[in-house]
Amino acid sequence: EVQLLESGGGLVQPGGSLRLSCAASGFTFGSYGMSWVRQAPGKGLEWVSAISGSGASTYYADSLKGRLTISRDNSRNTLYLQMTSLRAEDTAAYYCAKHFSGGTYFFDSWGQGTLVTVSS
Amino acid sequence: DIQMTQSPSSVSASVGDRVTITCRASQGIRTYSAWYQQKPGKAPKLLIYAASSLQSGVPSRFSGSGSGTDFTLTISSLQPEDFATYYCQQAKSFPFTFGPGTKVEIK
Repeated sequence: EVQLLESGGGLVQPGGSLRLSCAASGFTFGSYGMSWVRQAPGKGLEWVSAISGSGASTYYADSLKGRLTISRDNSRNTLYLQMTSLRAEDTAAYYCAKHFSGGTYFFDSWGQGTLVTVSS
Repeated sequence: DIQMTQSPSSVSASVGDRVTITCRASQGIRTYSAWYQQKPGKAPKLLIYAASSLQSGVPSRFSGSGSGTDFTLTISSLQPEDFATYYCQQAKSFPFTFGPGTKVEIK
């Protein structure tokens, strides 16, 4: 059974930094691309960033580019999202999601989410 | 960026009703669309991928259709556990975008 478990969320001041982690199990982690998707309170889903299975290719939402770094450690089956210069509008639940097979960008498994609150 | 719109934004329906939700992409995405179900406080769940393929374990009362710019999610006979918010997504090109959601409520 695929399991994704996010951690690292919390309360951070504007301008601060945070690193989110997503521990994966139940599948061959390095064979699948992964994404981060966020959801502000009471709002819809917003794709944030993606990384290929090898980690060689990374992609970011334009609105967040420059403030995010996605990475992965396939030896540890863990996905990361480093966030800097955080703003109030970054407050959201952040989900990691596994890409469907075949190099497509459908998200077939999701973690439970970790909440990031940016506030002074 | 490809914009995804959904209609209606909400629908009130009864158990046993047939419910149809539509999604439109701002440009053609062939069949690179998906549908997700999300219940309050929970992560989204993939229902339909590639416009019409049913994800493993998803009940057959859910179906998807469409290609190009127009897509449809149909629930053939609404069950109590289906009351949730439904999102479409395009997987054709970066940035991957979601529709604003359709909330299916109890009538």
